[in-house]
Amino acid sequence: EAQVTQNPRYLITVTGKKLTVTCSQNMNHEYMSWYRQDPGLGLRQIYYSMNVEVTDKGDVPEGYKVSRKEKRNFPLILESPSPNQTSLYFCASSLVRGNEKLFFGSGTQLSVL
Amino acid sequence: AQRVTQPEKLLSVFKGAPVELKCNYSYSGSPELFWYVQYSRQRLQLLLRHISRESIKGFTADLNKGETSFHLKKPFAQEEDSAMYYCALSPPTSGTYKYIFGTGTRLKVLA
Repeated sequence: EAQVTQNPRYLITVTGKKLTVTCSQNMNHEYMSWYRQDPGLGLRQIYYSMNVEVTDKGDVPEGYKVSRKEKRNFPLILESPSPNQTSLYFCASSLVRGNEKLFFGSGTQLSVL
Repeated sequence: AQRVTQPEKLLSVFKGAPVELKCNYSYSGSPELFWYVQYSRQRLQLLLRHISRESIKGFTADLNKGETSFHLKKPFAQEEDSAMYYCALSPPTSGTYKYIFGTGTRLKVLA
């Protein structure tokens, strides 16, 4: 089944403890991206990647890192999480052509205490 | 600056009533516009995109370049339409590939 898989679904951690949220897609998509969803603020793009080893900042990249070593994987790294990074995170992918729709993962609810 | 505005956080309508979810955008050019929907406990998924001009689940959206709007409409709301709706803009492929989402509108269809 074609899909975007995120892990974990839920994560509770403490301030400063490095964590990684994984994202994998099996559709051979070039484009992958990360979003955070907060009440009243909607979806905001954190980082995106046009292809392997090509990444760029979205609107809210501070405090996050990404890497794209393989086409299928696009992990989101929080080197030193803080409480203001408590949020619902979504990974998405698409083909790189005009007008292509995004396929979303099921989300990761992160709580930083 | 590129921006998508959804002025209503919550829209409540009765079953069978018409629905219009508003979306206005700010972009100096011809962006690609989308509506995504998130049903309870489900992933975000594409509802429709302006380029395809198709109607999905009875919803339509017309791009009005003069008013820079892309409002989502349905003539008769159903209870299963209750969900969170996001309008999104994507600049044409030109070196940047950011998606910009609005803040979302929660639609509640009352029985």
